[in-house]
Amino acid sequence: QVQLQESGPGLVRPSQTLSLTCSVSGGSVSSASFFWNWIRQPAGGGLEWIGRVYSGGITYYNPSLKSRPTISVDTSKNQFSLRLTSVTAADTAIYYCAGQTIVVVNNAFDIWGQGTVVRVSS
Amino acid sequence: EIMMTQSPATLSVSPGERATLSCRASQSVGNDLAWYQQKPGQAPRLLVYGASTRASGIPARFSGSGSGTEFTLTISSLQSEDLAVYYCQQYVTWPPAWTFGLGTKVEIK
Repeated sequence: QVQLQESGPGLVRPSQTLSLTCSVSGGSVSSASFFWNWIRQPAGGGLEWIGRVYSGGITYYNPSLKSRPTISVDTSKNQFSLRLTSVTAADTAIYYCAGQTIVVVNNAFDIWGQGTVVRVSS
Repeated sequence: EIMMTQSPATLSVSPGERATLSCRASQSVGNDLAWYQQKPGQAPRLLVYGASTRASGIPARFSGSGSGTEFTLTISSLQSEDLAVYYCQQYVTWPPAWTFGLGTKVEIK
């Protein structure tokens, strides 16, 4: 059973770059069976899809985030990562990594990490 | 962007009773609709995908229905452990611009 675990700094300064990593266990990040995503949730708020990467490196991002996010895969470490540039207080949220088992659930998210809290503050 | 509207915002139900949650899309999403359960302090969990297919390990008391713009999640006999916020999500858009509703909080009466 595939499991995900987020890691990264809990505090980021305004205008800086947020960097998070998701470690994949019980499966391979390079598997053609999965897509890998980042989703965030402000405190007490709803869910916002940030973007997705496929093992071949193809990426898609939420248009509302403009060109700020970058998602990449590191097959040597069995991880995928999120970089979000020019952060503001509005980027303060719980960040989840999430997987999609392609042939089972289409584009629903059936695998979730436990989430990591990121606060943007000076 | 497809807007997802959930109602009611809060639902109070007695144990053993039926809970009915609604989700409306601003335009047709076909059957590309999922439901998630998020318990306090936990990550969301997939309950239903394809509007009506239960995910692996989900109890039979959870059922999804609907298509197009109107969807329903029904909990046939509410259990105390069903206290949670429930979210719907559309995944019809391509390139991806997937969106979630704001959630329905289910309280135990």
